Amino acid sequence: AQSVSQHNHHVILSEAASLELGCNYSYGGTVNLFWYVQYPGQHLQLLLKYFSGDPLVKGIKGFEAEFIKSKFSFNLRKPSVQWSDTAEYFCAVNGGTGGFKTIFGAGTRLFVKA
Amino acid sequence: ETGVTQTPRHLVMGMTNKKSLKCEQHLGHNAMYWYKQSAKKPLELMFVYNFKEQTENNSVPSRFSPECPNSSHLFLHLHTLQPEDSALYLCASSQVGGENEQFFGPGTRLTVL
Repeated sequence: AQSVSQHNHHVILSEAASLELGCNYSYGGTVNLFWYVQYPGQHLQLLLKYFSGDPLVKGIKGFEAEFIKSKFSFNLRKPSVQWSDTAEYFCAVNGGTGGFKTIFGAGTRLFVKA
Repeated sequence: ETGVTQTPRHLVMGMTNKKSLKCEQHLGHNAMYWYKQSAKKPLELMFVYNFKEQTENNSVPSRFSPECPNSSHLFLHLHTLQPEDSALYLCASSQVGGENEQFFGPGTRLTVL
């Protein structure tokens, strides 16, 4: 079955530091990949997604992610974080041998120190 | 109201009670989902409805019973729950199709005593 692994459960950064959150999934084939974010007290919302085309995807608030098919990875990056990026980030995948059931990772809690 | 709404936002129930969670989406979507979010665990998909038809039951115990009377409304009926069922229950909606993002509601925080 499809599974999603997020390598870091908690990340603490200072403002202006660069961010990279890892995400790997287990089964290949044609997949759709997502990063969702949950700001404190708010709903889960989409940050960015990949389903075809350019493997480097730009999202909201300066985030980007790169799909590397050979590594089954979809890492999230931001060159310079802000205090307002403090949130929980979830990687999600559907497709491949998992079918169209969307599988979420366990999430990474990011805390950005002002 | 816009987006996806869920009621109630908080629910405390005993193990012998029967209660229902309600979800409504105002986005014109044709797929709806129930998820369970427990501390330190990945979001767990419970049920999927496409065009009001259940297409996924992710091995959910029968004490959880979903109902989707139309594409805009989704219910989760609860009976004889266990304390380990305490969690945040999230509803989401989307257009049918794996490439489409899901829009989430605020969740119902359920505590089973």
